[in-house]
Parts: sequence; C-alpha cells; structure tokens
Amino acid sequence: QVQLQESGPGLVKPSETLSLTCTVSGGSISRNSWSWTRQPPGKGLEWIGYIYDSGSTNYAPSLKSRVTIFLDTSKNQFSLKLSSVTAADTAVYYCARIEMTTIRAFDIWGQGTMVTVSS
Amino acid sequence: DIQMTQSPSSLSASVGDRVTITCRASQSISTYLNWYQQKPGKAPKLLMYAASSLQSGVPTRFSGSGSGTDFTLTISSLQPEDFATYYCQQSYSAWTFGQGTKVEIK
Repeated sequence: QVQLQESGPGLVKPSETLSLTCTVSGGSISRNSWSWTRQPPGKGLEWIGYIYDSGSTNYAPSLKSRVTIFLDTSKNQFSLKLSSVTAADTAVYYCARIEMTTIRAFDIWGQGTMVTVSS
Repeated sequence: DIQMTQSPSSLSASVGDRVTITCRASQSISTYLNWYQQKPGKAPKLLMYAASSLQSGVPTRFSGSGSGTDFTLTISSLQPEDFATYYCQQSYSAWTFGQGTKVEIK
C-alpha cells in the first residue's frame, strides 16, 4: 500500500528557507494529488498547499507569498519550500495524499517531521 | 477564504456516552466536509468524507451529517480508543481545517 515519509532538516535559522521532501512508496506519484499541512506545538492543523498530478498548485492565502510545492517524478517525491521563516513557522510538517476522484480527502498521511526555527 | 468553526473546543465524556461535535462553515460548502481523528504524537486519520461517508475500516459508531454550512460528527458509544482530537475540513474550495475538538475522559 502507499506510504509517505517526510524528510529534511529539523532546525532552520530565521530568515532562511525551510525545505522538506516527501517520499512516496508503494505507488506512483504521477497518479494522485499531494498536500502539505503543518501543526505548531499544541495547536491545530493548518493546510499549507497542494499539487495536482498535472503539476498545478494551490497555496493557503496566508502563506502563498512564501511557499513553493513541486514534484520530482523521477524520485517519486514531492517537496515543500517555505522562505523567510520565523519562529511562527516552527511546527510538525505532514505530507499527505489527496484522493481527488472519489472522496476528495487526505486519505494517507506521513508520520510528520518536526521543524524548529531558531538561531 | 472559507472559515471552519468547531464547537465545542473540548469536552469531557465517559466511555459509553454519545458524543456530538459541530462544525460550521462560513459559506455553503454543500457536502464537501471531511472529519479526521488525531491522537497525541500521531498523524491525523481520515474518519469520514463527503459529510456522511465512513472511510474504510472506521467503526460504525462514527457517523456524520449535514450539508450547506452546518455539520455534525457523532460517536454513538464512546470507546477508550476514541479519546482524541477531532478536526473538520472543507474540501469545497481548496482546503481549510477547523480548530479542533479535544475529547477527554471525564
């Protein structure tokens, strides 16, 4: 079955760019849509953005100016870049599959990776 | 942007209780409403989609209803493994989560 695994630095300095990758196993990245969601410590879930299998993207308005999501089909991965980070970007970051054709929901999630923004 | 508001933010209940969580959208979203369960230190898990459809493998004590702007998630008989935080999510226009409802043991 499809599994997702996030990877990337656990510590990022303020004003730098946060970069995370989600590796998809057990299925092709080209046949689905994919999302990033984050959760600050002790707080709720915040949707960051998604990328369709076509490569088109959509981002949360509050983050749109700083976010890029892209696919690497050769590695069966998709990635998140968040620029100009501050302490407010400290969170657990989750990648997830979006099942668009029948249920239109995030049906498979990675385990999440904690990213701390600190000097 | 579509805003999602859940109530209550938290509740205390006992095993066997019937529990209802409400989610309200800032505009009509038809039935484009999903529910997730999250336990501490774990990723969210999809419970229900399209307001009232049970995700595969989810116990039938969970049910959902609603359309337009008002939705509910009901747990008919609360079990020990159901103590968690529940989130609604609209999928009508991009995606937005509610702020969560924590279900605690009374």
